Amino acid sequence: SSELTQDPAVSVALGQTVRITCQGDSLRSYYASWYQQKPGQAPVLVIYGKNNRPSGIPDRFSGSSSGNTASLTITGAQAEDEADYYCNSRDSSGNSWVFGGGTKLTVL
Amino acid sequence: EVQLVESGGGLVQPGRSLRLSCAASGFTFDDYAMHWVRQAPGKGLEWVSGISWNSGSIGYADSVKGRFTISRDNAKNSLYLQMNSLRAEDTALYYCAKLLIDSSGDAFDIWGQGTMVTVSS
Repeated sequence: SSELTQDPAVSVALGQTVRITCQGDSLRSYYASWYQQKPGQAPVLVIYGKNNRPSGIPDRFSGSSSGNTASLTITGAQAEDEADYYCNSRDSSGNSWVFGGGTKLTVL
Repeated sequence: EVQLVESGGGLVQPGRSLRLSCAASGFTFDDYAMHWVRQAPGKGLEWVSGISWNSGSIGYADSVKGRFTISRDNAKNSLYLQMNSLRAEDTALYYCAKLLIDSSGDAFDIWGQGTMVTVSS
């Protein structure tokens, strides 16, 4: 099995831009998807594929990928963006899925 | 409205069994693979198991292989997780999730609210 590694915590000033990264060998073969989870709530998909946002996700959320690293960028972070963010992809075999450990985003 | 509703969680003793269910509505259930993802208290998300639309392809995390069995009943728009030989480390909130696959990749686009499983004597 493969692993996805995320920084445990990141902070950003209100209105500024923040990038949350996810590293893993499987990301050389598969795109990452990104999930936002607020306390007491189920995860919500915010980015998937090359850079796709589901309906209802603000366009300040974007995704990118290079080599073994996927990134979620929030351009102009808002107070409501404070949450845990998880990356996810298939593992290197393609038959299982793996989540990163999550990044707690604090908006200052 | 697209919705997933889990049920069947509860308090169970180590070594015992429990069966979780997930009722789907608002989309064509048998068009999609479905998965279980769990989250231990205060911890991150962990993929548990997945099943293809026709049950022809099934996968499990190493941590549950041989103990958990995923299944689905497309006629009832339902997903199941049979959990045997439960351990304290299986204590978690169990989510069912729909897998979206398109030309851009795949992702879990719809999640239920979860059902809590507590394994304790």
